[in-house]
Parts: sequence; C-alpha cells; structure tokens
Amino acid sequence: NAGVTQTPKFRVLKTGQSMTLLCAQDMNHEYMYWYRQDPGMGLRLIHYSVGEGTTAKGEVPDGYNVSRLKKQNFLLGLESAAPSQTSVYFCASSYSNVRVAGANVLTFGAGSRLTVL
Amino acid sequence: GNSVTQMEGPVTLSEEAFLTINCTYTATGYPSLFWYVQYPGEGLQLLLKATKADDKGSNKGFEATYRKETTSFHLEKGSVQVSDSAVYFCALTRTKTSYDKVIFGPGTSLSVIP
Repeated sequence: NAGVTQTPKFRVLKTGQSMTLLCAQDMNHEYMYWYRQDPGMGLRLIHYSVGEGTTAKGEVPDGYNVSRLKKQNFLLGLESAAPSQTSVYFCASSYSNVRVAGANVLTFGAGSRLTVL
Repeated sequence: GNSVTQMEGPVTLSEEAFLTINCTYTATGYPSLFWYVQYPGEGLQLLLKATKADDKGSNKGFEATYRKETTSFHLEKGSVQVSDSAVYFCALTRTKTSYDKVIFGPGTSLSVIP
C-alpha cells in the first residue's frame, strides 16, 4: 500500500518555466489537497478537491492551477514559475465521510522540493 | 475565525527528559484536534487525535487531552528519545460539515540530544 505518492521529489526551474507536480493516492480518498511549506510560514493550502472533476482555491492559489481528472490523481501546475514559488510542496488526501474512523485525518506524501532560479 | 497557536520553538531537550508542547485553539462549535509529526525529509503523519472534550489521544508514548474549558490540547511525553526529534504540528478541523479545511499551527521543532 503506497499511500500518497508525489513526483518528482526534486526539481529546479528557471523563472518563467512551467511544470506539473503529480500526486497519486491508492486509498480511494475523496478529498485531496496541495500545500506548500516555507520556513516560518507553516503549511499553507494552495488548492483542494472534494471529488473527481472538482477543485477549489485555498489560502494561496495565485500562480497555480490544479486538475482532478481521476479520483486517484491530483495535479498541481505552475504556468510561469517565479522565485517566490520556491518551496516544498505536499500533497495530502482524506476520506469525506465523517462517520469513517479515519475521517478528517490527512495522509501526506513525502513532498516535492521545488527551486525556482 | 478558527486558529491554532503553538509554543515557539525550537525546543532542545536531553534524552529521557519530559516534554510538553503547548497548543491552544480558537474555533466555533466542537472541533476535532490533532497532533501531526514531521520527521526530517518526510511528510507529516498523524501522531494522535481527539474528537470530543476530555478525550485523551495517545500514541508512541505521547499523550494529549482535549480541554474545552481552556481550549487547549497540549502534547506530552514522559521520556523523550533522540528518535523523537521532529517538527510537531497541532491542528484542528470541525466535523459537522461535509468538508472543512484542516487548520494547522506553525509547528514546533524538537531536538533531542543524547
């Protein structure tokens, strides 16, 4: 059972380049999330999805786009990377049914470290 | 609005010392409370949780009690080990709605020295 898998683990971009981070989960979770983690800023929610085909903005959505074409995958795109997007990105997923024992518990991936020069 | 406040770190302890990391929250309704741990180079993972007042969550020797009267969920461990060195995040979410975001505290870094 792999849980939440993020690819790539590391990436270096030049300003203005584009890229996509892929998140895949094999737990049949309905909800998926993208966070960024920066020193002194804690975790900040970028975008989230409550189901296949639906996405919504989090706290810091500007400069990012997401798609959830399949239930198990959640993609985070940077169309024109900026140095301010240098960060560690975490994908997470969770159940939607609050009656499930594991409800509201987030399962995180190992992170993707992105550097924008 | 809803928020989580944690004690500032970093915290440095000697092995076998007693650990307390304070966490207080502000929330409407009756939130569920969590402690997540992040080991170096890894993602966050659930350490323990409590879903109602006076519940005690426990795991790996760590404990935290949901105190509604003081809106607190302090993390404790009687004897820390070097392997406990990590960043600890307090978090909350409300359970009454079909979706409610998880609100994280800023994290407290713990270093345990031999």
